[in-house]
Amino acid sequence: SAVISQKPSRDICQRGTSLTIQCQVDSQVTMMFWYRQQPGQSLTLIATANQGSEATYESGFVIDKFPISRPNLTFSTLTVSNMSPEDSSIYLCSVATGGDQPQHFGDGTRLSIL
Amino acid sequence: AQKITQTQPGMFVQEKEAVTLDCTYDTSDPSYGLFWYKQPSSGEMIFLIYQGSYDQQNATEGRYSLNFQKARKSANLVISASQLGDSAMYFCAMREITGGFKTIFGAGTRLFVKA
Repeated sequence: SAVISQKPSRDICQRGTSLTIQCQVDSQVTMMFWYRQQPGQSLTLIATANQGSEATYESGFVIDKFPISRPNLTFSTLTVSNMSPEDSSIYLCSVATGGDQPQHFGDGTRLSIL
Repeated sequence: AQKITQTQPGMFVQEKEAVTLDCTYDTSDPSYGLFWYKQPSSGEMIFLIYQGSYDQQNATEGRYSLNFQKARKSANLVISASQLGDSAMYFCAMREITGGFKTIFGAGTRLFVKA
């Protein structure tokens, strides 16, 4: 299975600032996704990171708030912009190599906004 | 639109007994996959088992089996011979194959295994 490195693992940020989270995979993957997991809750899909084109965002998530880049098949970034305390969550990068293949997850970025 | 429902926020099971975690889903896509993941307190997401919509037999992986009832749109996870290390959060998830492969997750069930 793919090995996913996500950085940073955690951060504490001031409100109004932005943070970029990096996701590096050790092999080329077709599908790459970003999820958010708020404390004590399930995973919510933010967007599908498309290689070479704009990400596909889920309802409730917009590009201005969560810009995503995916320059190649092994790397993606998620930026959390103009952060507020409500953005305090774990952000997870996830990849899959096929429709019937399980998604693998990075260890997540624990983000706290003061 | 795809939907996943887990109605058991928490479950208790005695060590060495079997437990069933419920999951129902809704989709209009005839081709889809169902997954179960375990999330221990450490936070990592651990893949447990997969069932494809066209699979005729229920999936099994060691102590895990998936009770797939397509007509009822249910995909319950059965854990046999529970161990203390099974205490964790369990998520049911679904992927629509023709829907861009995005996977959505249920609310989760927290399993407590008692000694």
